[in-house]
Amino acid sequence: GDSVTQMEGPVTLSEEAFLTINCTYTATGYPSLFWYVQYPGEGLQLLLKATKADDKGSNKGFEATYRKETTSFHLEKGSVQVSDSAVYFCALSDSYNTDKLIFGTGTRLQVFP
Amino acid sequence: DADVTQTPRNRITKTGKRIMLECSQTKGHDRMYWYRQDPGLGLRLIYYSFDVKDINKGEISDGYSVSRQAQAKFSLSLESAIPNQTALYFCATSDAASGRATDTQYFGPGTRLTVL
Repeated sequence: GDSVTQMEGPVTLSEEAFLTINCTYTATGYPSLFWYVQYPGEGLQLLLKATKADDKGSNKGFEATYRKETTSFHLEKGSVQVSDSAVYFCALSDSYNTDKLIFGTGTRLQVFP
Repeated sequence: DADVTQTPRNRITKTGKRIMLECSQTKGHDRMYWYRQDPGLGLRLIYYSFDVKDINKGEISDGYSVSRQAQAKFSLSLESAIPNQTALYFCATSDAASGRATDTQYFGPGTRLTVL
């Protein structure tokens, strides 16, 4: 079945550092891809999404490009802030049932001043 | 006010007890979901509902049941709680208007359940 693999954390960075969180996927069809973020004590919220190959999702300085050739959707940000400290989840829509999301295990990001 | 609310926010119970977690939404969405989150495992789907008459099992439905009392309410029950059901539980909603999972899912704040 479809699956998502993302890098283990925690990722620890200093403020203004460059961020990359890797995400790769396995899918038999053409899923949509998502990044969700979970701030401490809160539920998940959508950060960005891409619905087809070569699409770039972006929001709040974060970007991710849907790469079909490498089955990847890596999350990047040029300059992180302390307020970006959170858990980041990569997800895809199930190829056979597009109403369901399949989540990765999450990557914790800690940004220090 | 929050669009997706969950009650209780925290609950400690004992093995064998019946417990209900409740979810309410004011977003007017047809689709509702229950997930559990465990460290190192991400989120796993327990049940989902596309409308009040449509309930579907997710990846890990054993030991759980649900009730969709109205469009706005979706409850998750543990008939006889066991310790490995200790987890963070999330309710989510999405809009069925376009009929695709490209629609955003909106999550509640979560319920932390501990089964002793």
